[in-house]
Amino acid sequence: EPEVTQTPSHQVTQMGQEVILRCVPISNHLYFYWYRQILGQKVEFLVSFYNNEISEKSEIFDDQFSVERPDGSNFTLKIRSTKLEDSAMYFCASSEVVRHEQFFGPGTRLTVL
Amino acid sequence: DAKTTQPTSMDCAEGRAANLPCNHSTISGNEYVYWYRQIHSQGPQYIIHGLKNNETNEMASLIITEDRKSSTLILPHATLRDTAVYYCIVRVPSRNSGSARQLTFGSGTQLTVLP
Repeated sequence: EPEVTQTPSHQVTQMGQEVILRCVPISNHLYFYWYRQILGQKVEFLVSFYNNEISEKSEIFDDQFSVERPDGSNFTLKIRSTKLEDSAMYFCASSEVVRHEQFFGPGTRLTVL
Repeated sequence: DAKTTQPTSMDCAEGRAANLPCNHSTISGNEYVYWYRQIHSQGPQYIIHGLKNNETNEMASLIITEDRKSSTLILPHATLRDTAVYYCIVRVPSRNSGSARQLTFGSGTQLTVLP
């Protein structure tokens, strides 16, 4: 069964460094999403992407964040200058245009020191 | 998206049916009810969705009241692997809005299946 994959599974970085989290959505999906979950808290929406542009974004998704679909398979989330409070699990998700469900990847645990 | 209210936690004996309630009294006519679950820090997993009719798939059944102000997710024979946080989400689907619409997760219900 096709699935969303994410790399790396765990990323440790120093505060102020740039990180890129990578996702490979399911191949025929056209809607893409990033969510995050700080330890012990709710899953929070960051951004959605369709037709090569951002569809929706939350207040969390400020100028420090960006998303890109550099080729036909990858979907990336970049954090330009990481802060301690960016430490969280980051989930990528994708969905088909005509179906309802979003499929989530296993997540990348980002630790900012 | 309409707000939902779920109990914080529930227990269920293994092999029994788990019935998870959700209130969504402000749901509007074009909003669907979705259920997802999250097993211990894994990515959320889609379970089922519905608009007004009851729905069943291989994982669960969804019962929506006639006035659509509440719904119940039923896991017919709960197993230990069903221990998870279950989220009830109400929203207009992306396919109806022409854009990639977010899921708004609340706190959900922590279901613990007991041996």
